[in-house]
Amino acid sequence: GAGVSQSPSNKVTEKGKDVELRCDPISGHTALYWYRQSLGQGLEFLIYFQGNSAPDKSGLPSDRFSAERTGGSVSTLTIQRTQQEDSAVYLCASSLGPRGLAKNIQYFGAGTRLSVL
Amino acid sequence: EDQVTQSPEALRLQEGESSSLNCSYTVSGLRGLFWYRQDPGKGPEFLFTLYSAGEEKEKERLKATLTKKESFLHITAPKPEDSATYLCAVQPYNYGQNFVFGPGTRLSVLP
Repeated sequence: GAGVSQSPSNKVTEKGKDVELRCDPISGHTALYWYRQSLGQGLEFLIYFQGNSAPDKSGLPSDRFSAERTGGSVSTLTIQRTQQEDSAVYLCASSLGPRGLAKNIQYFGAGTRLSVL
Repeated sequence: EDQVTQSPEALRLQEGESSSLNCSYTVSGLRGLFWYRQDPGKGPEFLFTLYSAGEEKEKERLKATLTKKESFLHITAPKPEDSATYLCAVQPYNYGQNFVFGPGTRLSVLP
């Protein structure tokens, strides 16, 4: 597809279970971001991947959160032992990369709405 | 600490009633300021990037402007389809590739 694809679009899970959220970035985009958006809140940065460099994990809220990006393309965000406060929309974005200001434009997927019961 | 605030939190306009949304920021150095539109249940959609004070960008009924401390998104003669949440984000120099997003302004345009 032409845009950023995220799956699943909705996920309902029980407290304590692990969940995996997937992101397929735009082909050719080397940068990939994960954000969390809680109801009525702005986007909270979680993690950033750029090419084969070590990811910037400075936004991950706890060690229950982890992410990987395989082959410089698809990314998976994993939340272990989910808590009710993890309920939010998780958004993925990709961009062409860091060189040149125009290449910093992020293109977002529709997000995964996570509900932890 | 780098920070972005947006005002008003919510805005209701009649169709054709022009207005402006504000994005105020405090950063040690600005690499770029971005405006996005977000419809319910969708991800943010890119509108504009501004890089230096005095710069302006236009697209249909929208015009974005930038000063050293804030940006405005002017909406001229809005239509109901302009109803959305408008997000502002800044990319500070000292954050590498990280962005700081504001909480957004929820715009409703009534027919």
